[in-house]
Amino acid sequence: GDSVTQMEGPVTLSEEAFLTINCTYTATGYPSLFWYVQYPGEGLQLLLKATKADDKGSNKGFEATYRKETTSFHLEKGSVQVSDSAVYFCALTSGGYQKVTFGIGTKLQVIP
Amino acid sequence: DVKVTQSSRYLVKRTGEKVFLECVQDMDHENMFWYRQDPGLGLRLIYFSYDVKMKEKGDIPEGYSVSREKKERFSLILESASTNQTSMYLCASSIPPGGLGYTFGSGTRLTVV
Repeated sequence: GDSVTQMEGPVTLSEEAFLTINCTYTATGYPSLFWYVQYPGEGLQLLLKATKADDKGSNKGFEATYRKETTSFHLEKGSVQVSDSAVYFCALTSGGYQKVTFGIGTKLQVIP
Repeated sequence: DVKVTQSSRYLVKRTGEKVFLECVQDMDHENMFWYRQDPGLGLRLIYFSYDVKMKEKGDIPEGYSVSREKKERFSLILESASTNQTSMYLCASSIPPGGLGYTFGSGTRLTVV
């Protein structure tokens, strides 16, 4: 079945540091890929998405590129802020596009 | 602003009680989903629905049931609550195809004592 692998963390960075959260996947067919973010005490919000190979999703300074050859969708940001502290979920949909498969979530802590 | 609204942010229930978690969306979405979120396990799909009165089991349906009598409302039912159902419950909705992503509610943190 489909699966998404990401480190659980926590990842602790200083403000203005470079962020990478790795995500790899296994899926049949051609999945759509997503990053969701969950701020403390809230539900998940869609951060960015990519629907085909070599697409780059971007939002709020975050970027991720759909790499079919390495089955990866790593999340990056050039300069993190304290307000970026949250849990980040990598996810995919495939096949009938109806269900989303989530990774375990990576907790990011940004310290001033 | 489009919304998925879960009726309670926090609930405390006793073992053996029948518990109803309500979810309402105002986006006219066909698809609705219930997940539970637990530390170290991520999100796990309980049930989902593609249409009114239609339901499908997810990965962990045991101990749960659902109801979708109207398009905008999707209810999760714990028939007889147990302590291992203490969790964060998240409702989501989407339009097909799901490649556009989900809209999530804020979650209900349920504690069963």
